[in-house]
Amino acid sequence: AQSVTQLGSHVSVSEGALVLLRCNYSSSVPPYLFWYVQYPNQGLQLLLKYTTGATLVKGINGFEAEFKKSETSFHLTKPSAHMSDAAEYFCAVTPILTGGGNKLTFGTGTQLKVEL
Amino acid sequence: EPEVTQTPSHQVTQMGQEVILRCVPISNHLYFYWYRQILGQKVEFLVSFYNNEISEKSEIFDDQFSVERPDGSNFTLKIRSTKLEDSAMYFCASTNNQFSYEQYFGPGTRLTVT
Repeated sequence: AQSVTQLGSHVSVSEGALVLLRCNYSSSVPPYLFWYVQYPNQGLQLLLKYTTGATLVKGINGFEAEFKKSETSFHLTKPSAHMSDAAEYFCAVTPILTGGGNKLTFGTGTQLKVEL
Repeated sequence: EPEVTQTPSHQVTQMGQEVILRCVPISNHLYFYWYRQILGQKVEFLVSFYNNEISEKSEIFDDQFSVERPDGSNFTLKIRSTKLEDSAMYFCASTNNQFSYEQYFGPGTRLTVT
């Protein structure tokens, strides 16, 4: 079974400041990990994903995340926040199983607010 | 760029009525999913569908729910007798092959049961 914990349901940063959104996961098998972003009244858009290979992954809009197996974490960062980054961010996990087509298990989400 | 589409964007229905939510997945995709998000809560998996049958379903997906791929393009979620607690945003997603774990989401249908 998989689960995801996102610490902080609301995070507020100043424009230009570092963004850090935390995600910890629990998985009985090796996981694939994702960050999705949801803008108001819109669907979920994939920001980035970790499947195999390099543990530091880069995504769209300047975001990146690092998979740390020892810490079971996949925190999302962006060096400099922009007003347009204000949205809800969801961390998700799926198990690496043969056959694919596996469900995503989501965290509860973190609402990011960017202030002037 | 291909995208998943969903109709309607907003559906209001009375308790006990049947609703059908429609999705058009990306055309070469093979795996299809429904998720829901109750207001203020996390996105929850409902069901996955492959090769014209359900691959996996959650505890939420009871016998009031059904899915169908009636033609080569649409993927539908039916709720036979809606309850107040079915009010949520319903997302359809698809992915293109068994080795791809990246799911593409539609914009969602907001279902309001009164």
